[in-house]
Order: sequence, then C-alpha cells, then structure tokens
Amino acid sequence: DAGVIQSTRHEVTEMGQEVTLRCKPISGHDYLFWYRQTMMRGLELLIYFNNNVPIDDSGMPEDRFSAKMPNASFSTLKIQPSEPRDSAVYFCASSPGLAALNEQFFGPGTRLTVL
Amino acid sequence: AQSVAQPEDQVNVAEGNPLTVKCTYSVSGNPYLFWYVQYPNRGLQFLLKYITGDNLVKGSYGFEAEFNKSQTSFHLKKPSALVSDSALYFCAVRDMMDSSYKLIFGSGTRLLVRP
Repeated sequence: DAGVIQSTRHEVTEMGQEVTLRCKPISGHDYLFWYRQTMMRGLELLIYFNNNVPIDDSGMPEDRFSAKMPNASFSTLKIQPSEPRDSAVYFCASSPGLAALNEQFFGPGTRLTVL
Repeated sequence: AQSVAQPEDQVNVAEGNPLTVKCTYSVSGNPYLFWYVQYPNRGLQFLLKYITGDNLVKGSYGFEAEFNKSQTSFHLKKPSALVSDSALYFCAVRDMMDSSYKLIFGSGTRLLVRP
C-alpha cells in the first residue's frame, strides 16, 4: 500500500505567485483532509471532502486559498496569490468510511516556502 | 466547543523509564480520542484510539492510553521508553455528537528520551 502521496516535499515560490499542492489519497478512502502546520498555530484543518465533495471549508484562511477534488484519487490545494505568511507544511490525509470512528492516514507533507 | 489541551510542551525521560504524555479534552457529548506521533520531516502516524469499551487502550510500538471520563483525560503511556520514541505527540478528539468529521488536535508534546 503506497499510503497518501504528496509527491512534492518542498516547494519554493515567490510572493504573488500561484502555487498548487497535490495529493493522492489512499484508494478506497472516502474522506480527504487538508491541514496546515506551523510553529505558531500548530496543526490546523483547512478543508475536508467526502466522496469528492467539499464538506467543511471553514478553516480556509482567506479567499486566496482554494481546494478541489476532481475525482476520488486526486486533490489540489491552490494559493493565489501566495504570501510569505503562507509558509508552512501542508499535509493531506485520508480516511475510510465511518470517518468518525476511523483514524486518518497522513501524507509526508509539502513544505511551502514563500519568499 | 471541542478542545484538547496538552499541558506540557516537552517531556524528558531516560531510556528504560516509564513515560506519560498528558492530554485533557472538552466536548459536549462523548469523545472519540486519538493519539498520533510525528517523526521529523514526516506526516502524523496513528498510534491508538478510544471509541468505546475498555478504558485502557493498547496501540502501536508498546504505547497505551487510559480514558478517564471523570477527569476528561486520555494520557499516553509506555512502561519503558526507547530513544527511538523521541518525537512529537499529538492528542486529538472528536465529539460523538458532532456531525462533522473534524478532528481537533492538541498543540503537541515533544518527547525526548535520553540514552
């Protein structure tokens, strides 16, 4: 089992540029979560999907952030335009059905640096 | 509102000694409780969970946790620490009454096991 895949481990961009983070969940998992981790704020849930449909995006910090899940095997988190304060580690996680009971499986994370 | 508190930023213990990482929670209904571990430059890994039943839960790598409803606590324990246990540990809670599948994470506790 390949686990949750975030193929880009480090992403460096300049302020004002668009950046897209990518995630492939574990096959068969119905739920997908995007988190952001910083020293100051800890681990924050940004948005989560159920069966490719966004359920709760209340954690998305600003309109500059958007997320999509066009199919069950792929999700993106886009920041446009990016700002230095967006620098963080972004994790994707997935969970099988009955997500209330089941643990989440995390990807290795993408460390984003906005210069 | 749901919340999780990990009162210690860091726990230091000598190898071979027992360890405890503390976690208290606040929910409206009954809790689902989880412990995750994060090694450097890695995503979070699931350790154990309490859903219902026996208050003592056993998990991966010899870890266990005890659910105490009266004290609203879910402390993580291990009888004999290993240097390789050194990592960042997160407690998380979900309220059984909450229709959302959001996990609320604590701020994390860094465990340092010295040889």
